[in-house]
Amino acid sequence: GAGVSQTPSNKVTEKGKYVELRCDPISGHTALYWYRQSLGQGPEFLIYFQGTGAADDSGLPNDRFFAVRPEGSVSTLKIQRTERGDSAVYLCASSPRQDTDTQYFGPGTRLTVL
Amino acid sequence: DAKTTQPTSMDCAEGRAANLPCNHSTISGNEYVYWYRQIHSQGPQYIIHGLKNNETNEMASLIITEDRKSSTLILPHATLRDTAVYYCIVRRRNNQGGKLIFGQGTELSVKP
Repeated sequence: GAGVSQTPSNKVTEKGKYVELRCDPISGHTALYWYRQSLGQGPEFLIYFQGTGAADDSGLPNDRFFAVRPEGSVSTLKIQRTERGDSAVYLCASSPRQDTDTQYFGPGTRLTVL
Repeated sequence: DAKTTQPTSMDCAEGRAANLPCNHSTISGNEYVYWYRQIHSQGPQYIIHGLKNNETNEMASLIITEDRKSSTLILPHATLRDTAVYYCIVRRRNNQGGKLIFGQGTELSVKP
């Protein structure tokens, strides 16, 4: 079946601009996670949703970062006033209610802030 | 969640077993050991997890020491497609889910 998909696959923007990154989880998965990965580092947790609500947003670095999941399916990560340090691969993962041990990751969106 | 320590890199010959160690000396009784891997330019992929018994699935085996302070992921017959970064993660199991805390992982290179 279809896995987690993320769009766009690549995004180049200028410092100060606003960006939105989209994640389509596996159908029926209740939990959705956002991570970001800088070059040479492991993924770093940002936020996770259980259904429509954010269950843990402790990884969001500052108030320029915001994520929503209004209908409990698709999620959008929003970054305001982008900075060069925001450049990274943003990964999304989802997991089903009956198997919370396994997170299924998408291919990521590579964000480059010039 | 307990911290893990892994070697930065390892090599393995194709067809041989790859044994990837992980130290987690501060693991607590209710924490599980999880392994994920990340092939270049892809998202991480779940491999296996365990609490204290050894576990095996179609991808790998997980051997956890009796004191649970370390573990080894075994790929019994490594192929070139197993070249990836392997992450050992320790966390409490939560039936509501929960974040994964990734370290630097071990970069495994399988060579012909």
